[in-house]
Amino acid sequence: SAVISQKPSRDICQRGTSLTIQCQVDSQVTMMFWYRQQPGQSLTLIATANQGSEATYESGFVIDKFPISRPNLTFSTLTVSNMSPEDSSIYLCSVEAGALTDTQYFGPGTRLTVL
Amino acid sequence: KNQVEQSPQSLIILEGKNCTLQCNYTVSPFSNLRWYKQDTGRGPVSLTIMTFSENTKSNGRYTATLDADTKQSSLHITASQLSDSASYICVVVSGGSYIPTFGRGTSLIVHP
Repeated sequence: SAVISQKPSRDICQRGTSLTIQCQVDSQVTMMFWYRQQPGQSLTLIATANQGSEATYESGFVIDKFPISRPNLTFSTLTVSNMSPEDSSIYLCSVEAGALTDTQYFGPGTRLTVL
Repeated sequence: KNQVEQSPQSLIILEGKNCTLQCNYTVSPFSNLRWYKQDTGRGPVSLTIMTFSENTKSNGRYTATLDADTKQSSLHITASQLSDSASYICVVVSGGSYIPTFGRGTSLIVHP
């Protein structure tokens, strides 16, 4: 199993500012995933973060808007840059773990409100 | 386009009653199907994972079924408890790419 913590748990930010979300895992994992969950919507994958290489972004998400760091095998950050009210969402960190890496674990999420 | 549709969107039941949530998908090729429970303010937690050859899998009071031919799955909750109030998310993972497609979830409220 994997235990994931995220900081902050929630924040209220002003338009135009940036917020960095931290994700810590209690075990070493190859890939870490960042998701966005907007109200009433399904989870949407933002990017996959591999240690030692640049993150891979999904369609509709760009590095300038969502820069990601992955300095080691247990930690990652996601920055939401130049925020607008449309960025208000829950941001979730996730990893796959287990003998067959067939179980996906999620952090508690960061609830972001942009005014 | 790979899609996962869940129904109903929301459900209210009385404590002690049973309920069944539905999931239809168009994901192809298929690798596995997962059901998650997401409490308010928390991240999703895995309930069951089923591969192509599995028709049913239980986890306590939760029983998931899979019909790979019709591309349908259900999650049956027996003797519901107040703590079952949550969003239940169906996720289908495609074979080869192993990319998960998430449903929007069913919001379940259990009343005393």
